This record gives sequence, structure tokens and C-alpha cells, in this order.
Amino acid sequence: AQTVTQSQPEMSVQEAETVTLSCTYDTSESDYYLFWYKQPPSRQMILVIRQEAYKQQNATENRFSVNFQKAAKSFSLKISDSQLGDAAMYFCAYLKGRGSTLGRLYFGRGTQLTVWP
Amino acid sequence: DTGVSQNPRHKITKRGQNVTFRCDPISEHNRLYWYRQTLGQGPEFLTYFQNEAQLEKSRLLSDRFSAERPKGSFSTLEIQRTEQGDSAMYLCASSFGGGTTEAFFGQGTRLTVV
Repeated sequence: AQTVTQSQPEMSVQEAETVTLSCTYDTSESDYYLFWYKQPPSRQMILVIRQEAYKQQNATENRFSVNFQKAAKSFSLKISDSQLGDAAMYFCAYLKGRGSTLGRLYFGRGTQLTVWP
Repeated sequence: DTGVSQNPRHKITKRGQNVTFRCDPISEHNRLYWYRQTLGQGPEFLTYFQNEAQLEKSRLLSDRFSAERPKGSFSTLEIQRTEQGDSAMYLCASSFGGGTTEAFFGQGTRLTVV
């Protein structure tokens, strides 16, 4: 069974500083994707960053980057130069498969990020 | 607005009543997903459709829950004989399919069973 674990229920960071959110997952699959989604108080989930398991290079999207350790089944999110608008619940998610075999997302329990001015 | 639309945004119902939620996906998306999210938890998968075919159902989807996507466009999720434990946010998401991995989420329907 696929499980996603986020061990940090809450994190906080000072504006302009860097914060890292942790995620581990369990799978026996070789083809999969990992995601970080952001859910602000408005509740609409927004994709932050995506990592393909078959790619060794860590994904980067502007101030957001991941540290993907496939052997350790670890997928952390680093937010650089944190902004007040980054405050939200962050969910790590796993998607099994590739191409037409893609299925549904498995989510962790989330990490609530607070950004202090 | 070309995003995923869910209606109603909020629903309060008495225990034992039936409720129905609607989701309108992004128009060209052939995959549609339903998730349930309770306070302090991540979304839990309920079911998903590819076009009008329901491809997977979670164990969470008891016989009181039914979902349809009759013409491969909008979808409805019905809960019969609601219980207090059904109180949650119900999220709908859609994706293009065919190997596209990004799912776009709606704002959800918050159900409160009193």
C-alpha cells in the first residue's frame, strides 16, 4: 500500500528566510510522481512543484525546490526567501503509474506553515 | 472562469437527509476525482472517472455514497441517510489524462451534518 508521511504538523519561518518541509513515502512501484500542493485558507489546492521518480535531477520552481532521495523514499520541499503569501497548509502527495496507468493521489496529513513578518 | 467549479460551497443538513453535490471540471479534462477532507487531515480518495466510466472506488465509499458522471462532463456525488461522520470538505479535481499528472482542484463543498 502507498503511504505518505509528513512528520511536521506545524512549521514557522521568518519572512525572507528559508524553511524545509519533510515528507517520506512508502511504495514498491518504480514509476511514480511526487507533488507538493499548497492549500491556503480559501481551501483551493494549488500545485507547487512536481517530481518524476525516473528523474534524478531535483525539481525547481522559482523559490521552491525539492530534495528527492529515491532510495530513502524522502521528498522534502525547500522554500527560499519566504513570503507572507506562502503561509498555508502544504501537502505532500504521491501518484502511482505512468502515462495511461496514472491513478489517484495519495496525500500526507499536511504541514501548516506560518510565515512571520 | 475556466477552473473546477463545485456547488454548493456549503451545505448544512440534518442527520438522515440525502444530499447531492455537483462538480464541473475544466472542460477539456476527461478525468474527474472526488476526495474527502476532514479537519487536520489530508484529502482522502473517494472515486474517480475517466469520461463517464467510474474506474476506481475507495473502501470509504460506502453504499450510502454514489457518484455519477453521466455524459463525461459534470459529476454528482450523493450521500444518502447522512451521518454526523459525513461532515467534511468534499473536494473535486480534474485532469487531462493521457499521462498528464497535474490535477486541478475546486474550492470544495463543506458539508455539516447536524
